[in-house]
Amino acid sequence: DGGITQSPKYLFRKEGQNVTLSCEQNLNHDAMYWYRQDPGQGLRLIYYSQIVNDFQKGDIAEGYSVSREKKESFPLTVTSAQKNPTAFYLCASSTALGTGANVLTFGAGSRLTVL
Amino acid sequence: GQNIDQPTEMTATEGAIVQINCTYQTSGFNGLFWYQQHAGEAPTFLSYNVLDGLEEKGRFSSFLSRSKGYSYLLLKELQMKDSASYLCAVMDSNYQLIWGAGTKLIIKP
Repeated sequence: DGGITQSPKYLFRKEGQNVTLSCEQNLNHDAMYWYRQDPGQGLRLIYYSQIVNDFQKGDIAEGYSVSREKKESFPLTVTSAQKNPTAFYLCASSTALGTGANVLTFGAGSRLTVL
Repeated sequence: GQNIDQPTEMTATEGAIVQINCTYQTSGFNGLFWYQQHAGEAPTFLSYNVLDGLEEKGRFSSFLSRSKGYSYLLLKELQMKDSASYLCAVMDSNYQLIWGAGTKLIIKP
């Protein structure tokens, strides 16, 4: 079955450490996204990518980095520069940006807790 | 600024009907989406409206009024499995999604 796989599902990090969240999709989607979800807030876009080797900052990119070396993969690194990294992180993909009916398919999420 | 408003929480009874409202103020409009998210899981797509009117899909229907900046999701014949958060999102003129904080729906027997 096609879908998006995120790992790990739960991750604990000490302050000052970088961590990388994995996101892999086998839907042959061109566009991929990383969102952050916090209680009482809407999803906030961290980074997105429309094609391989290209990505753009979203609304809250500071303290995060991404890469898009393969169409299927869009890993997110949460760096020590991110001041409040404890959150639920969602990866998503879609066929393309720039169209109205741009339905997102989401992964099951990764919950990061900073100790 | 851009803003999406939804009620934080709603409670309904199994078998009943519930309407979840969403109002928005955005820079342009290229469609409105509803997603369902069970606790700790991935959001899943429910509906997309770009023209005014009602779209029906089984037990779920979604309504849009662009002039009023208003949408609702109507859930009929509620089942316990409908207990979830319902996320409203609007695509603005730059084809970026603006998300509401979600409405947590609690279904009681």
